[in-house]
Amino acid sequence: EDQVTQSPEALRLQEGESSSLNCSYTVSGLRGLFWYRQDPGKGPEFLFTLYSAGEEKEKERLKATLTKKESFLHITAPKPEDSATYLCAVQAGWSNTGKLIFGQGTTLQVKP
Amino acid sequence: DGGITQSPKYLFRKEGQNVTLSCEQNLNHDAMYWYRQDPGQGLRLIYYSQIVNDFQKGDIAEGYSVSREKKESFPLTVTSAQKNPTAFYLCASSIRGHNEQFFGPGTRLTVL
Repeated sequence: EDQVTQSPEALRLQEGESSSLNCSYTVSGLRGLFWYRQDPGKGPEFLFTLYSAGEEKEKERLKATLTKKESFLHITAPKPEDSATYLCAVQAGWSNTGKLIFGQGTTLQVKP
Repeated sequence: DGGITQSPKYLFRKEGQNVTLSCEQNLNHDAMYWYRQDPGQGLRLIYYSQIVNDFQKGDIAEGYSVSREKKESFPLTVTSAQKNPTAFYLCASSIRGHNEQFFGPGTRLTVL
């Protein structure tokens, strides 16, 4: 069964304290892995797409990496405005429907 | 500005009533999706449509119905058959054949 697991469920950091969020997946052939940011009461905001192991993408203080079994979202020197829930999703290789399988998310709180 | 709009933002329903949630996009995307989000759970796919006048059931379609008469619009009806409809509903769209899905702001439905 295709599955996505994110850890930790919640993470508290001090401003400037770098850390990483994990997204482990089991899927029948990976077509793509996606990271989203979601603020409370709002829709997810697209961050990155990763397609193959070894790929990396960066945006401001965020860097996403991908291996054959997991993805990491590295947050360097976070600021309070980085506080949000980060969602990971995968699309299986067998699927041509666009269906995404989501993890439960990691809620990040950055304190000043 | 291109984007996805959902209305209303908040919706209250009495038990036994059907309600319809609106989703409109001006991104010229072919594919549209409806997800449900509950606390502590990942997004779950309700219905999706890859082209006008065609749609498929997702993982939790029971108690819901959709239509896709126009490319820009993909309304979701929550029927009285849905036993636990209180949730946050998210609409998304993507370019057919591409993977990134872009989300609307969501509708929070509460059953009184």
